[in-house]
Amino acid sequence: GQNIDQPTEMTATEGAIVQINCTYQTSGFNGLFWYQQHAGEAPTFLSYNVLDGLEEKGRFSSFLSRSKGYSYLLLKELQMKDSASYLCAVMDSNYQLIWGAGTKLIIKP
Amino acid sequence: DTAVSQTPKYLVTQMGNDKSIKCEQNLGHDTMYWYKQDSKKFLKIMFSYNNKELIINETVPNRFSPKSPDKAHLNLHINSLELGDSAVYFCASSPSHGDVLETQYFGPGTRLLVL
Repeated sequence: GQNIDQPTEMTATEGAIVQINCTYQTSGFNGLFWYQQHAGEAPTFLSYNVLDGLEEKGRFSSFLSRSKGYSYLLLKELQMKDSASYLCAVMDSNYQLIWGAGTKLIIKP
Repeated sequence: DTAVSQTPKYLVTQMGNDKSIKCEQNLGHDTMYWYKQDSKKFLKIMFSYNNKELIINETVPNRFSPKSPDKAHLNLHINSLELGDSAVYFCASSPSHGDVLETQYFGPGTRLLVL
């Protein structure tokens, strides 16, 4: 079966750094996505990785290791507005997105 | 100039009723999707259409019937609503199906509550 695992909830302090991990087992791989979803709102696209390595985009970075079936999202200089759920999703061989259950990130002052 | 729009945003209805949710995208995308997000916040794909043709149809009760009159619209009709249908339904679109980069753009969601 296809499976995406990520922690249910994490807590971090404003100004700090947090890393949200995602491991996956899917039938085929055509890329891994990270989405941010604030409570009561729609998911919004954050990043896309298809090759191994680190992709940096401002305060957010995403890393991929295809051999390990592993990715992480790194958030630096945390702000209160970063409190949200972060969804990991993998595109399988049928170009279908398989979604993780999301990690709820709580930022404390 | 909303990219992906859904109506209604909120829907409260009685068990057994039939209801429809509409979705429109003005991004010129070929592919549209319906997702259900349950109380545990897990996003689950229901249907996917590419240029008005059904390409993904997950195990969904046949009370749910999607309709795509053109590639900019994908509506969802639900017959005989049940309590377990209560969830947030998200419509999404992406440039095309089968490309390596398939960023999906989501609508604001329709919050359905079945009483």
